[in-house]
Amino acid sequence: DAKTTQPTSMDCAEGRAANLPCNHSTISGNEYVYWYRQIHSQGPQYIIHGLKNNETNEMASLIITEDRKSSTLILPHATLRDTAVYYCIFYNAGNMLTFGGGTRLMVKP
Amino acid sequence: DGGITQSPKYLFRKEGQNVTLSCEQNLNHDAMYWYRQDPGQGLRLIYYSQIVNDFQKGDIAEGYSVSREKKESFPLTVTSAQKNPTAFYLCASSPAGGADTQYFGPGTRLTVL
Repeated sequence: DAKTTQPTSMDCAEGRAANLPCNHSTISGNEYVYWYRQIHSQGPQYIIHGLKNNETNEMASLIITEDRKSSTLILPHATLRDTAVYYCIFYNAGNMLTFGGGTRLMVKP
Repeated sequence: DGGITQSPKYLFRKEGQNVTLSCEQNLNHDAMYWYRQDPGQGLRLIYYSQIVNDFQKGDIAEGYSVSREKKESFPLTVTSAQKNPTAFYLCASSPAGGADTQYFGPGTRLTVL
């Protein structure tokens, strides 16, 4: 099974960068790391994904270590609306996403 | 407006009744998925379909059924055989099956009384 390890919860001050870590030591060479977030009682929202290189889009940046065993999602200027559960996931052998518990990020004023 | 719609947002049913949850997408995506989410937990895959008239069981298919007669639609029926149907149900679609970005609907919260 494709497994990731994330902290259960994190706090971040509004306006500061939120750095969310994820360990994925079992990831294989051709598997992408995906990040989604889920705001309470809504469907998950795609954020970003990457393979080897660091990636940036309008929502976030993704830093992947050289050995690809871990990654960090960076929200550069967190707002109260970024409070959500953040999932770091990759596809399992059956090409299906496996969602774990994620990290509950609380952005505080 | 392109996207995935699920209706209704909230659904109540009596125990022993079958209920069908709607999922429609106008993104022209080939693949569609149904997930279940229990409070405080991650998502678990119920069924998925990579092409019209074809679908496969996910990790927790027992007590559920689906159909994929049209590309745009992937309804999920929660049958009376599902032991604990109260949950948040999420539908998703992706351009193609396999390792492709999935886009989610807003979800349906089903409560069985």
